[in-house]
Formats: sequence, C-alpha cells, structure tokens
Amino acid sequence: TQLLEQSPQFLSIQEGENLTVYCNSSSVFSSLQWYRQEPGEGPVLLVTVVTGGEVKKLKRLTFQFGDARKDSSLHITAAQPGDTGLYLCAGDRYNDMRFGAGTRLTVKP
Amino acid sequence: NAGVTQTPKFQVLKTGQSMTLQCAQDMNHNSMYWYRQDPGMGLRLIYYSASEGTTDKGEVPNGYNVSRLNKREFSLRLESAAPSQTSVYFCASSEILGRGYTFGSGTRLTVV
Repeated sequence: TQLLEQSPQFLSIQEGENLTVYCNSSSVFSSLQWYRQEPGEGPVLLVTVVTGGEVKKLKRLTFQFGDARKDSSLHITAAQPGDTGLYLCAGDRYNDMRFGAGTRLTVKP
Repeated sequence: NAGVTQTPKFQVLKTGQSMTLQCAQDMNHNSMYWYRQDPGMGLRLIYYSASEGTTDKGEVPNGYNVSRLNKREFSLRLESAAPSQTSVYFCASSEILGRGYTFGSGTRLTVV
C-alpha cells in the first residue's frame, strides 16, 4: 500500500470542464508538493504547501493543504489540453519524501 | 541552463551485467537523489545524498550503490543487473533536503 493515495487514478474530461484530484494519507507531513509529469520527461514542481489549511493558486490551478497536514487537493478550473499529464503529490515527513502513484489526466479538445 | 542532466537516456542490459548511471546538476544544490518509477508504484527513493560527502539509503536500496563524486555529480551503480531492476530511473536535486526537487529527464533501463 502507498503511503500517499491519489484519486482518481485516471481522469478523462473535455476542455473547459473543472476537476479536482486528491492526495490522502494517514501520516502528517511537514510539507506537501505537487508535480506534473509529461511522457518521457521528469516531474516538474508546481507548488509546495507547508501550513495546514494553506491555499495556493497558480493561474487556473488551486492547491489546498488539509488542516491536519495529512491530505491535499488540486483543483483545475476550465481545463485545457495543455493540462494533460500525470499529476503527482509528494509528502515530506521530515526528510523522508514519499510520492503517490499519480493521477493521469487527459483533457480532450 | 541545463538543470539536471542524466546519461544515458536508454539502456538494455543482460542479467548479471553492471552499469553506472550518471547525473550532474548545475544549480549548486546541496542534496541529490536517485528514484525509480514503476507503473502503479509511483516514485520510490533508492539513495540520497544530503550534502557532498554523505549518502544514505532510501526506500529500495538493495542491488544498488551510489557515489557522490562532488557537489555536482551523483552516480548510481548496478553491480549485477536483475530483471526486477527494469524501470525508469530519475535523478533529482534540491537546495533543501526533501523539498522542491528538480528532476532530470530519466534513464529507461531494461534488463533482459
């Protein structure tokens, strides 16, 4: 079993729709990060959240860290084909970094 | 500005062969890491180096060795490759241990 469970595993939507993906754990993390990975490439850091309840926005992407620092969500507004990719969450348990298996998002034009 | 450079990009090995994966970063980061990525498993940490001169085991270190050659370079060695080591390997670096990784583009390794 993964320390970080991401859901859904796969998501296919039409351009313009909104979506939310989740990253859940029973462990507390000192920080949580989100990455996006495209085929044949390494993950690219999108955001780091540190404080329980923290919300960060990156254009059409909104990231939230749970109050108890055990979970996080990523919300995309008006998805575009360029948002297609594998979204990974990673939690830092005080220098022990663990990744979830990812949500594979496809946005169809 | 290259970031993190990994070589080679692709490699096929026969069972029992050895090889070294090379990684170099040009961002003056203190910490470097080796991960493997397998379908449905996410990224799993093999070894990491918090700073020049130190290395530590991660989640899945068996069958691997590492060398932090200097601040820029961190290599991963497979002494006797096994089919279970077929995977995509990523090197990463960060300024602060465990946070804000910059990844290389990966090495796709197949062991037959």
